Amino acid sequence: DTGVSQNPRHKITKRGQNVTFRCDPISEHNRLYWYRQTLGQGPEFLTYFQNEAQLEKSRLLSDRFSAERPKGSFSTLEIQRTEQGDSAMYLCASSLARSQGGTGELFFGEGSRLTVL
Amino acid sequence: AQSVTQLGSHVSVSEGALVLLRCNYSSSVPPYLFWYVQYPNQGLQLLLKYTSAATLVKGINGFEAEFKKSETSFHLTKPSAHMSDAAEYFCAVSNNFGNEKLTFGTGTRLTIIP
Repeated sequence: DTGVSQNPRHKITKRGQNVTFRCDPISEHNRLYWYRQTLGQGPEFLTYFQNEAQLEKSRLLSDRFSAERPKGSFSTLEIQRTEQGDSAMYLCASSLARSQGGTGELFFGEGSRLTVL
Repeated sequence: AQSVTQLGSHVSVSEGALVLLRCNYSSSVPPYLFWYVQYPNQGLQLLLKYTSAATLVKGINGFEAEFKKSETSFHLTKPSAHMSDAAEYFCAVSNNFGNEKLTFGTGTRLTIIP
């Protein structure tokens, strides 16, 4: 068990550019979550996958944001036409559904910090 | 809808003193409650969780929390603070059915005074 892995850990970009973050969950976990955390705040839910299906999206996820989990394993979060307000830590978490023996716990990665200049 | 409120965005305690971080929840269904710790530029690490079993929950690093339904509280305590406890602490709630989506509080930054 290598834990949840996120890449890149840090990304600096200019306003208007596109960025993509990748998350590799714990291998046996079928659920994957994305959160955004701005300075001094708690993490805010963005979206959630069960296997390859995106089952819930927050209103925080504007049209410039898109997330995929094409084969039910790793996931990508893309932000198009970045804005300075997108600067944040993007956290990925995974879990095993309770119906399949999961504990109800989310396991978090180290996060990807985005700075938009 | 579920929510948690963490009272006190900053808490300072002396090394060796009691740590008390406050969390109150709001939930229309029986909740699952969690405390996570976050060190600078790192992800979140689970300290402990309440999932409707014992109301007094023991976690890692000597922390514990007590679920009090009558007070809708889940305060985090540690009898004796250590310098390594300095970090940001988040209380979070989820429901006990469906997915494991967490709703977080705004966090409490714990500073330890030598």
